Amino acid sequence: DGGITQSPKYLFRKEGQNVTLSCEQNLNHDAMYWYRQDPGQGLRLIYYSQIVNDFQKGDIAEGYSVSREKKESFPLTVTSAQKNPTAFYLCASRARGGLNQPQHFGDGTRLSIL
Amino acid sequence: KQEVTQIPAALSVPEGENLVLNCSFTDSAIYNLQWFRQDPGKGLTSLLLIQSSQREQTSGRLNASLDKSSGRSTLYIAASQPGDSATYLCAAANSGNTPLVFGKGTRLSVIA
Repeated sequence: DGGITQSPKYLFRKEGQNVTLSCEQNLNHDAMYWYRQDPGQGLRLIYYSQIVNDFQKGDIAEGYSVSREKKESFPLTVTSAQKNPTAFYLCASRARGGLNQPQHFGDGTRLSIL
Repeated sequence: KQEVTQIPAALSVPEGENLVLNCSFTDSAIYNLQWFRQDPGKGLTSLLLIQSSQREQTSGRLNASLDKSSGRSTLYIAASQPGDSATYLCAAANSGNTPLVFGKGTRLSVIA
């Protein structure tokens, strides 16, 4: 079955530590997205990528970094510069361009501070 | 800049009732609009996608409508069941290449 796999499901970060969240898709989608979800805030876009080796900042990119070396993979690093990282992180993918196809989501990673 | 609003933030209904969830958007030049369901602690599941040229889409007990001129979409759920309890989010795309803009969702509780 095609889909998006996020790992780990739960992640704990110590002060001053960088952590990386994994996102892999086998849907052959060009576009991939990272969102942060906080209670009562809805989904906020962190970074997105429309094609391999290219990505753009979303609304809340500060303290985060990404890479897109392969079409299937779009890892998100939460750096020590992100002072309030506790949240639910969601990865998504979508066919690019003129195709009216739905966006798909992974099951999320919940990040907490130790 | 596109903004999407969902009112109310929470809704509680008795089982069997038909209900409507509302979504409004500020920029009528949308490419498509999607409705999603989110269960607690889970990712989002796509329910329906309405293209800009369409007025409505149906899937089982769900029917979504789109009125671009008024900047509104509705999700109609017929004969609600306790299993429909979840948060429902709508999202607008202004082109095939721009990120979706999400509303904050409506948390639905269907009481048996």
